[in-house]
Amino acid sequence: GAVVSQHPSRVICKSGTSVKIECRSLDFQATTMFWYRQFPKQSLMLMATSNEGSKATYEQGVEKDKFLINHASLTLSTLTVTSAHPEDSSFYICSTLYDARPYTDTQYFGPGTRLTVL
Amino acid sequence: AQKVTQAQTEISVVEKEDVTLDCVYETRDTTYYLFWYKQPPSGELVFLIRRNSFDEQNEISGRYSWNFQKSTSSFNFTITASQVVDSAVYFCALSEVPTMNRDDKIIFGKGTRLHILP
Repeated sequence: GAVVSQHPSRVICKSGTSVKIECRSLDFQATTMFWYRQFPKQSLMLMATSNEGSKATYEQGVEKDKFLINHASLTLSTLTVTSAHPEDSSFYICSTLYDARPYTDTQYFGPGTRLTVL
Repeated sequence: AQKVTQAQTEISVVEKEDVTLDCVYETRDTTYYLFWYKQPPSGELVFLIRRNSFDEQNEISGRYSWNFQKSTSSFNFTITASQVVDSAVYFCALSEVPTMNRDDKIIFGKGTRLHILP
């Protein structure tokens, strides 16, 4: 079945640094990828939708200049947390749509990246 | 607007008991998908089921069963003869069926933390 990977699985960084998280679809092309954030003991909140070759669509309240999304190929989307601060510490999860066709199968979720900003 | 409500934030049952997790949703669409996901302590989301709004048949998969009732906008999840390994956070979610102009966003409930006590 479809597999989505994320790298790194865990990252600890100092405040003020930038962190890049990769999301890859391993055996299919993903024209659409989603980025979610999950704070401890809370639900998943959609941050943005990225489409290959175009700008990402950010949800209300998500700073596009802080959370840079690049979907440069059909198998890779990256989320860069710029100038990270402790409040950015969270569990970041990506998901993909298989070919983004209507009535397509469910989204496939990556294993998540746990970011801790000191 | 879409909304998913999981009123039970935390449930504890003794092993082998049956437990039902409630999910109530709101949507203006007549066509939509409903999901249940399991999130064990490792954090990775595990897909359990997707149900199309046109299909109100209840579903059983091993010890898991789902009761979809459009009349009450509910999609409840029952675990029969619970086991310690069932301990996790369970998310109910809703997605509109994608059209040419809309992304297939999934709206998650806040989750129910299930503790199965040995």
